[in-house]
Amino acid sequence: GAGVSQTPSNKVTEKGKYVELRCDPISGHTALYWYRQSLGQGPEFLIYFQGTGAADDSGLPNDRFFAVRPEGSVSTLKIQRTERGDSAVYLCASSPGSTLDEDTQYFGPGTRLTVL
Amino acid sequence: DAKTTQPTSMDCAEGRAANLPCNHSTISGNEYVYWYRQIHSQGPQYIIHGLKNNETNEMASLIITEDRKSSTLILPHATLRDTAVYYCIVTHTDKLIFGTGTRLQVFP
Repeated sequence: GAGVSQTPSNKVTEKGKYVELRCDPISGHTALYWYRQSLGQGPEFLIYFQGTGAADDSGLPNDRFFAVRPEGSVSTLKIQRTERGDSAVYLCASSPGSTLDEDTQYFGPGTRLTVL
Repeated sequence: DAKTTQPTSMDCAEGRAANLPCNHSTISGNEYVYWYRQIHSQGPQYIIHGLKNNETNEMASLIITEDRKSSTLILPHATLRDTAVYYCIVTHTDKLIFGTGTRLQVFP
């Protein structure tokens, strides 16, 4: 079946602009995660949704970052007043959201954001 | 901070087994050991996971020590396409905390 998809694959914007990054999870997966990966580093957690609600947003760096998942499927990560330091690959992952002890996350290809 | 320790880099000859170690001495009883890999410019790819028993799938084998403080990922016959950064992560149905991983270079 189809995996996690993310659009756009690349986004170039200017400092101060607003951007939206989209994630389509695997069908039926109730949990959705956003991560950010800077060059040479491992991915860093941003926010986690269980259904429509954000279960953990402790990784969002500041209030310029916001994410929504209004219908419990597609999610949008929104970044206001972008800064050059926001340049990174933004990764989305989804998992079945099992209430059991194991819940494997599957990643999309990422969106490469470049802020000029 | 990541709860795991991995070597920064390793080399392996094509066709040989690649054994990637991971230390997770502070692992909790309900935490799983997960392995992901990331090939250049792609999203992380799930490989395998386990709790305390050894596991095998079509990609790899995972050997977990009896005290669960360390594990080894085994790629039985490495190919050039296995060149990637390999991440060992301990987690319990939660966000993944990635370290810097092991950069595996498979050479001809």
